This record gives sequence, structure tokens and C-alpha cells, in this order.
Amino acid sequence: EDQVTQSPEALRLQEGESSSLNCSYTVSGLRGLFWYRQDPGKGPEFLFTLYSAGEEKEKERLKATLTKKESFLHITAPKPEDSATYLCAVLAAGGSNYKLTFGKGTLLTVNP
Amino acid sequence: GAVVSQHPSWVICKSGTSVKIECRSLDFQATTMFWYRQFPKQSLMLMATSNEGSKATYEQGVEKDKFLINHASLTLSTLTVTSAHPEDSSFYICSAKGIAGLYQETQYFGPGTRLLVL
Repeated sequence: EDQVTQSPEALRLQEGESSSLNCSYTVSGLRGLFWYRQDPGKGPEFLFTLYSAGEEKEKERLKATLTKKESFLHITAPKPEDSATYLCAVLAAGGSNYKLTFGKGTLLTVNP
Repeated sequence: GAVVSQHPSWVICKSGTSVKIECRSLDFQATTMFWYRQFPKQSLMLMATSNEGSKATYEQGVEKDKFLINHASLTLSTLTVTSAHPEDSSFYICSAKGIAGLYQETQYFGPGTRLLVL
């Protein structure tokens, strides 16, 4: 069974204080790993898709990396507007369905 | 690109009535659309997967007669909550996956619909 574990559950940072969120996964062949940001009362907003170990993607203050067992979302010099829940999900290879397995998310709060 | 809309964003209804939620992919063709339910402070729970022109595939424990899904075109899927009861109150989110390229593997989510059944 595919599993995704995100840590920490919650993270408080001061503005400008860089940190990383972790997503550990167990999947029978990785087809893709996805990072989303979700604000309260809204649907998840797509951030990144990673396909293979060693891949990295960046967008503004965010950088996602991938190994064979985990992914990190690095946040550099965060701002209060980066406060949100960050969700990690994996898509297993094989089969015709595209069912994502989600982690429970990391609630990030950035204080000014 | 990759914009998904949902309508309505908020709905309040009386117990026993039916509610229809629309999900549209605005700038790409979605071969597959997904419906999720999210409870407060919890992650997303997949309810069903629908492919254009065919019957939806429901996850275990989801009543297909209760949650009717129609995916009539490559840009529109609807979820109808039939004979809604207070326990159906929740945040419903759809997502869409495209045919090829940028949209092929990634699910793009709508803004969600909050349903309150009185």
C-alpha cells in the first residue's frame, strides 16, 4: 500500500527564517510526486511535479527536491504570505487510474 | 493555464433536497476528473474518478446512488448529492487531469464548494 508521511505537522517560522518540509513516501514505483499549497477554505494550488530522483524545481522562494525515499520543500527567506498548508502526494506507476496518495500536510505559519 | 472552476462556491440546503456542483476545466481538456471530500483539518479523501463519456469509479465506502457523478464533456463534470442530510455537510473539491503534455500527469484543483445541509 502506498504511503506518504509529512513532517513536521506544523511549523512556525519568523519572516526570513529559512527551513524545509519533509515528505517521505513508500510506493510501488513512482510515477510522480506532487507538491500543493492549500489556503484555508480553498482548493489545493499546484506547485511542483517531480518525476525522478535527483530532480529539483524552483519557484520564487520555494525549491522542491526528490530522492528515492523522500522529497523536501525548501523555503528560503519566507514571508507571511507563504503561510498555508503544504500537501505532498504521490502517483504510483502502473495501472490505468491516476489516484493520488496524499500526506496529511504541514501547516506553515510565518510570523512577521 | 490549468484553471479549474467550481460552482457554486457555497451552498446551503434543507435536508432531503438534492444539490448539484459543477466542475469545469477552463483552459484545457480534462479526460479525467476527480471528486474529493475534505473534513476540517484533514487531508483530501478521494470519492470518485470520472472519465469523459463513461461511468465514474467510486472509492470503497462511497455510495454511488448518493453521490451521482456525470462527466459529459471534456470540460465539465458534475457531482449531485441526492437527498442530502446534515452528515453530507463538507467541503467538496474537484480536480482535473488533461490529455497530454503539461496537463497529463498533474491534477489541477478547483477552489472547492462548501455544502451545509440544515
